[in-house]
Amino acid sequence: ETGVTQSPTHLIKTRGQQVTLRCSSQSGHNTVSWYQQALGQGPQFIFQYYREEENGRGNFPPRFSGLQFPNYSSELNVNALELDDSALYLCASSSWNDMRTGELFFGEGSRLTVL
Amino acid sequence: DAKTTQPPSMDCAEGRAANLPCNHSTISGNEYVYWYRQIHSQGPQYIIHGLKNNETNEMASLIITEDRKSSTLILPHATLRDTAVYYCIVRVDDDMRFGAGTRLTVKP
Repeated sequence: ETGVTQSPTHLIKTRGQQVTLRCSSQSGHNTVSWYQQALGQGPQFIFQYYREEENGRGNFPPRFSGLQFPNYSSELNVNALELDDSALYLCASSSWNDMRTGELFFGEGSRLTVL
Repeated sequence: DAKTTQPPSMDCAEGRAANLPCNHSTISGNEYVYWYRQIHSQGPQYIIHGLKNNETNEMASLIITEDRKSSTLILPHATLRDTAVYYCIVRVDDDMRFGAGTRLTVKP
C-alpha cells in the first residue's frame, strides 16, 4: 500500500456532466501527477502539480483541469464529459526533490464510466 | 509519446527467471529507465530504475546495455503473483510516459 488515496473509487456520469476526482498524496510528497488509463492501454499523462501550480501537461484538452491544495492533496476536474472519458483515473505522488531519480507512488484509481 | 518498445506479451514458468526486454534507442544521456508493473485493477507499482549501471533490489534486477539503447528486467524466480503488465519507461522532462507494456503471465 502506497499511502496515496483516491476518491471515489467508482462513479457513473452521463455525457455532458462534470466530475471531480480527489487524491490525497503520500505523507511528505509535494508533487501530484494525474493519469488516464483506458481499458487495455497504458496510463496516459494528463498533468502534474507542484506548489499548487500546473507543472506540465500531456495531450489533453482544457476541459481537463486540476487543483493542488496547500496540504498537497489534489483534484482532477473534467467538464462536458464525453463517452471516451470513460477510464481509470490514477493519481501519483512524489517528492519534487527526488523527481529526477525518485519513484511515483500510485493510488488505486477512480473508475469513471460515462453513459 | 512513449520512447520505448516492448513485446505485447510473454509467458514464464513459475520458479523460473522472467526476462522482459525493452528497446529505447532514442534515449538521451541523462534520461533514466524506469520499470513499473500493474497487477489487474490496481495502480502501477514501482519496481526499479537505472541510468547506466546494472541495478538490483529485492524485487528485480535491471540490465542496461552499454550503449543504453535497450534494457532487460529480470525477475529471478517468478511466482504466480508476478503476473501483471510490466511497463518500461524513459522519463520525458518530469513526467512518466507509459507505453502499452508487456503482459507477463506466470504459469504453474
